[in-house]
Amino acid sequence: SQQGEEDPQALSIQEGENATMNCSYKTSINNLQWYRQNSGRGLVHLILIRSNEREKHSGRLRVTLDTSKKSSSLLITASRAADTASYFCATDENTDKLIFGTGTRLQVFP
Amino acid sequence: SAVISQKPSRDICQRGTSLTIQCQVDSQVTMMFWYRQQPGQSLTLIATANQGSEATYESGFVIDKFPISRPNLTFSTLTVSNMSPEDSSIYLCSVLQHYGYTFGSGTRLTVV
Repeated sequence: SQQGEEDPQALSIQEGENATMNCSYKTSINNLQWYRQNSGRGLVHLILIRSNEREKHSGRLRVTLDTSKKSSSLLITASRAADTASYFCATDENTDKLIFGTGTRLQVFP
Repeated sequence: SAVISQKPSRDICQRGTSLTIQCQVDSQVTMMFWYRQQPGQSLTLIATANQGSEATYESGFVIDKFPISRPNLTFSTLTVSNMSPEDSSIYLCSVLQHYGYTFGSGTRLTVV
């Protein structure tokens, strides 16, 4: 299969709580990206982390990358109802092709 | 970033027919890709659309079922041929430029 694995498949939390999603991939990479998708609509790019980086922040988002374990995590702090969406990691596998993980459906309750 | 116009945004088609999806980019791009997203699933890469040559298909996808055209650096089409209900999905095009990837808004296809 092309895809990496993400867990959990689904996550439900209350507003204000933190949400953590994990991604594992299969091959070496140049970078790993995280995307958000609302209700089957277009993808929104959230953050990119390069293979030589271990952690990156953007607003309420914190991404980590462990290339030795071929894994990454996305942390959303102080979640809001508007964060409700599906989140996907994607890797380039040292090519120009972007391969997506299986995704995590996040539900944030007000 | 590039602006992609993807058409149609949605369609309902009879089984056995074909649908052609278009992606128009507002700037020249080298790399264009087509993805399928089945209901409740992630995105799966169908193929890389190569300008002036045949597309490069991923495992599990064939040209007879998903013919792709790429006549120039700003335009590509994906045809879903001889459709069955299993082809009901969202189809998205994507382009790669120096600053990263941009995605079209998707075509939601329902085959009845």
